[in-house]
Amino acid sequence: EDQVTQSPEALRLQEGESSSLNCSYTVSGLRGLFWYRQDPGKGPEFLFTLYSAGEEKEKERLKATLTKKESFLHITAPKPEDSATYLCAGGIFGYNKLIFGAGTRLAVHP
Amino acid sequence: DTEVTQTPKHLVMGMTNKKSLKCEQHMGHRAMYWYKQKAKKPPELMFVYSYEKLSINESVPSRFSPECPNSSLLNLHLHALQPEDSALYLCASSQGGGLADRNEQFFGPGTRLTVL
Repeated sequence: EDQVTQSPEALRLQEGESSSLNCSYTVSGLRGLFWYRQDPGKGPEFLFTLYSAGEEKEKERLKATLTKKESFLHITAPKPEDSATYLCAGGIFGYNKLIFGAGTRLAVHP
Repeated sequence: DTEVTQTPKHLVMGMTNKKSLKCEQHMGHRAMYWYKQKAKKPPELMFVYSYEKLSINESVPSRFSPECPNSSLLNLHLHALQPEDSALYLCASSQGGGLADRNEQFFGPGTRLTVL
């Protein structure tokens, strides 16, 4: 069964305290691993797509990496405005469908 | 422009009402999606339209009826809903085709639906 699992479920950081979010996946025919940020009551905001093991992408304080079994979202020196739920999703080759993980709720405190 | 718009932002309806949610994109995307999201849960796929044809229906009850009038518009018609249908309804679009090199889905802001 295709599955995406995120950990931890919730993470509390102090401002400036770097950390990583994990996304492990078992998706047959994976076509892309996607990261989104979602603020409460809003739609998910697209962050990154990773297609191949070893691929890395960066945006401001965020860096996403991909291996054959998992992806990491590294947050460097986070700020309170980085507080949000971060969702990862696996795309299935040949289908317009994403398998979402349950998300990691990140809270960054000053 | 990577914007997907949705109207209305909020909707309150009774169980006997008929209402519609609307979604629009002008990115030239050929795949459009409806999702339902409950609090503290990930989005749950309901329907996918690809090139204006319904390609995926995730066993959604018939009280939800999707419509794709053209490649830019997507509607979700609601009738005889139940209180448990209260949720955030999200529309998304992507370039289209499962084999597309870039199949990121871009989401709208959502419609917050409350069924009384």
